[in-house]
Amino acid sequence: ELKVEQNPLFLSMQEGKNYTIYCNYSTTSDRLYWYRQDPGKSLESLFVLLSNGAVKQEGRLMASLDTKARLSTLHITAAVHDLSATYFCAVGDRDDKIIFGKGTRLHILP
Amino acid sequence: NAGVTQTPKFRILKIGQSMTLQCTQDMNHNYMYWYRQDPGMGLKLIYYSVGAGITDKGEVPNGYNVSRSTTEDFPLRLELAAPSQTSVYFCASSYHNRGQRDEQYFGPGTRLTVT
Repeated sequence: ELKVEQNPLFLSMQEGKNYTIYCNYSTTSDRLYWYRQDPGKSLESLFVLLSNGAVKQEGRLMASLDTKARLSTLHITAAVHDLSATYFCAVGDRDDKIIFGKGTRLHILP
Repeated sequence: NAGVTQTPKFRILKIGQSMTLQCTQDMNHNYMYWYRQDPGMGLKLIYYSVGAGITDKGEVPNGYNVSRSTTEDFPLRLELAAPSQTSVYFCASSYHNRGQRDEQYFGPGTRLTVT
């Protein structure tokens, strides 16, 4: 059974700093997703990672995937307040289920 | 395109009542999913469907039923509501084909309270 773990679950950081969110998963997968959720809102897709070594960047966010280590990272560069949100990783299993991690609540202090 | 739409937005049910949460997508996506999100928690997969006429259980299917008679619609049925089903329910859809695995598009959610 696929398990997806994110850490940290809560992160408070200052503007201008860099940080990384980690996503580990327990079984082989060929796809990993990152989503953003603002309070009281739905989820918005950030990245789709489909192969080992995949790296995608959008603004101050960069996601990477290491399928051998079963690890994805979401790196935040020079954080700004607008990036405050909850970030989820999700992993697809061989039965086509997509399983989510618990999310990382990111709070960026001015 | 409206994307993924869900109705109702809010609902209060009494224990033992039944209801259907509606979900429709107009993107011709073959895959559809139902998740629940409890306060401050991640998303748990309830049921999913890889195409019309095909449904399968997710992580937390007990107390729910689904059907997929068309590509566009994927309703979720609660037969005997219980307080433990108080949650926000999200429907999502995506396109999967050989070698292509698109991201999920989420609806706005239905906030359900069972008292």
